[in-house]
Amino acid sequence: GQSLEQPSEVTAVEGAIVQINCTYQTSGFYGLSWYQQHDGGAPTFLSYNALDGLEETGRFSSFLSRSDSYGYLLLQELQMKDSASYFCAVRDVNTGFQKLVFGTGTRLLVSP
Amino acid sequence: DTAVSQTPKYLVTQMGNDKSIKCEQNLGHDTMYWYKQDSKKFLKIMFSYNNKELIINETVPNRFSPKSPDKAHLNLHINSLELGDSAVYFCASSHESRGGQETQYFGPGTRLLVL
Repeated sequence: GQSLEQPSEVTAVEGAIVQINCTYQTSGFYGLSWYQQHDGGAPTFLSYNALDGLEETGRFSSFLSRSDSYGYLLLQELQMKDSASYFCAVRDVNTGFQKLVFGTGTRLLVSP
Repeated sequence: DTAVSQTPKYLVTQMGNDKSIKCEQNLGHDTMYWYKQDSKKFLKIMFSYNNKELIINETVPNRFSPKSPDKAHLNLHINSLELGDSAVYFCASSHESRGGQETQYFGPGTRLLVL
């Protein structure tokens, strides 16, 4: 099966840079996705890495190392609105369908 | 226009009751999902339908029965509600493809509280 591990909580101040790590164990691999969820809100897609390296989208970047079964989400110039939970996710290759397995989630708290 | 919508947003009910949650998507996707998110924010898939056909059925009590009348709708009916069913239920949709990893679009969630 698939399993993903993330830190439960990360704290940082406005303007700082924070990295949220994700390690995964999977029998097959299509790539690593990241989703953001604000309190009371729905998960929303942030990024997807299929290949090794860094993908940048504005203040957010996501990195993948397939050989290390590891990825991270990098948030720069933190803003209060970035306080949310962040989930990494992989596709369960055993089903043959688009079934996502989510990590345990990392709660990011940004303080003034 | 809302891409994935769910009704109701909040649902408070007594143990033993039967309730339904409705979901609709206007994204033209062929696959829809139901997820359960517990109090620890763990997000787990329950069911998935592709073109009205059940393709993923996780180990959930048979009190939960999904129904997809067409590609754009996926409803969830829950019989004999129990305290442990209290959670947030999310509907989601995506395209289906054999390769890669499709983005899933989530509805706003239904907060179910069983008393």
